[in-house]
Amino acid sequence: AQSVTQLDSQVPVFEEAPVELRCNYSSSVSVYLFWYVQYPNQGLQLLLKYLSGSTLVKGINGFEAEFKKSETSFHLTKPSAHMSDAAEYFCAVSLGAISGGYQKVTFGTGTKLQVIP
Amino acid sequence: NAGVTQTPKFQVLKTGQSMTLQCAQDMNHNSMYWYRQDPGMGLRLIYYSASEGTTDKGEVPNGYNVSRLNKREFSLRLESAAPSQTSVYFCASGSWLSNEQFFGPGTRLTVL
Repeated sequence: AQSVTQLDSQVPVFEEAPVELRCNYSSSVSVYLFWYVQYPNQGLQLLLKYLSGSTLVKGINGFEAEFKKSETSFHLTKPSAHMSDAAEYFCAVSLGAISGGYQKVTFGTGTKLQVIP
Repeated sequence: NAGVTQTPKFQVLKTGQSMTLQCAQDMNHNSMYWYRQDPGMGLRLIYYSASEGTTDKGEVPNGYNVSRLNKREFSLRLESAAPSQTSVYFCASGSWLSNEQFFGPGTRLTVL
């Protein structure tokens, strides 16, 4: 079984300060990893994903994440926070789409990023 | 491309009432999903449909039923609403090619 842990429910950062949102996962097999962002009163949209290859993944809006298998982590970072980054961020893990296209995705509990002017 | 659309956006029900949440996607995806989102609990899978004509239970199916009407549409029905079903409901469709799920804007349901 796969699981995802986002230990920080809220992370406050000052505008232009660096951002790090933590994600750890548990799985006995290889996984795919995702970060989704949810702006207030909206659905989730994909920020970035790791499927294979380079362990440093770049996403939209200047975010990136590094897959560290030895640490079972996939932390999300950004060099400089903008006010528009204030949102809730969800880490997710999947074993990939199986026969028929069904993809079981397990989501973390989310981290709210607060950007302080 | 509208992506994934959901109706209604908001709904208030009394305990015991029934309703159907509608979802449609125009991306030709085989798989579709219904999740509920509650504070501090992330997203939990209610039901999914791997392909047209099939549906299966997810993590929290009790009190819900689903119908995969065709490849585009996947509806979620609450037969007898309970206050514990107050939540935000998201529909998603999945691309096995990109291993990504695409989400609708959500339905905010309150059961009094």
